[in-house]
Amino acid sequence: AQTVTQSQPEMSVQEAETVTLSCTYDTSESDYYLFWYKQPPSRQMILVIRQEAYKQQNATENRFSVNFQKAAKSFSLKISDSQLGDAAMYFCAYLLSGTYKYIFGTGTRLKVLA
Amino acid sequence: KAGVTQTPRYLIKTRGQQVTLSCSPISGHRSVSWYQQTPGQGLQFLFEYFSETQRNKGNFPGRFSGRQFSNSRSEMNVSTLELGDSALYLCASRISMNTEAFFGQGTRLTVV
Repeated sequence: AQTVTQSQPEMSVQEAETVTLSCTYDTSESDYYLFWYKQPPSRQMILVIRQEAYKQQNATENRFSVNFQKAAKSFSLKISDSQLGDAAMYFCAYLLSGTYKYIFGTGTRLKVLA
Repeated sequence: KAGVTQTPRYLIKTRGQQVTLSCSPISGHRSVSWYQQTPGQGLQFLFEYFSETQRNKGNFPGRFSGRQFSNSRSEMNVSTLELGDSALYLCASRISMNTEAFFGQGTRLTVV
């Protein structure tokens, strides 16, 4: 069975600084997708970034980038130039190719300090 | 383009009652999934529908059921409510397999 682990329940970062959130996963499959979602106090899950396992190149979306290490089964999220609006719960999610079911990690609460 | 719409946003029910939650997906999205979010268990998959057919079900008792209509709108029903059913219920839609899901704002259910 696939599992997703986020070992940092809470992280803090100073505004304008860089922070990295960790995510590891366990799967015996080779074809899958990984995602980072953000859940602000409004509760709506917002997609931050997506990575296809077959792509070696790390995904980037503006200030957000990932470090995808397939062999190590690691998928960390780097947020550069942190902003107050980045404060939220961040969830790492795994999606096996050909399915619709996400497996989520337990989340990391990110606090941004002014 | 309208996002995923969940109604109602908040519900308070009494133990033993039943409840129906509604989800309208993004236009053109035929897949709808439901998740339960609690502080203790995190985000857990309930079920997924595609073209009115349930394709996958999570590990929840039979009191949890759902359906999808021909216009892709989905409902989930919980019968004989228990205190432990208090949670945020999130609906997500996607256009096809292997694509990202877009979530609604959720329905906060409180069982008293």
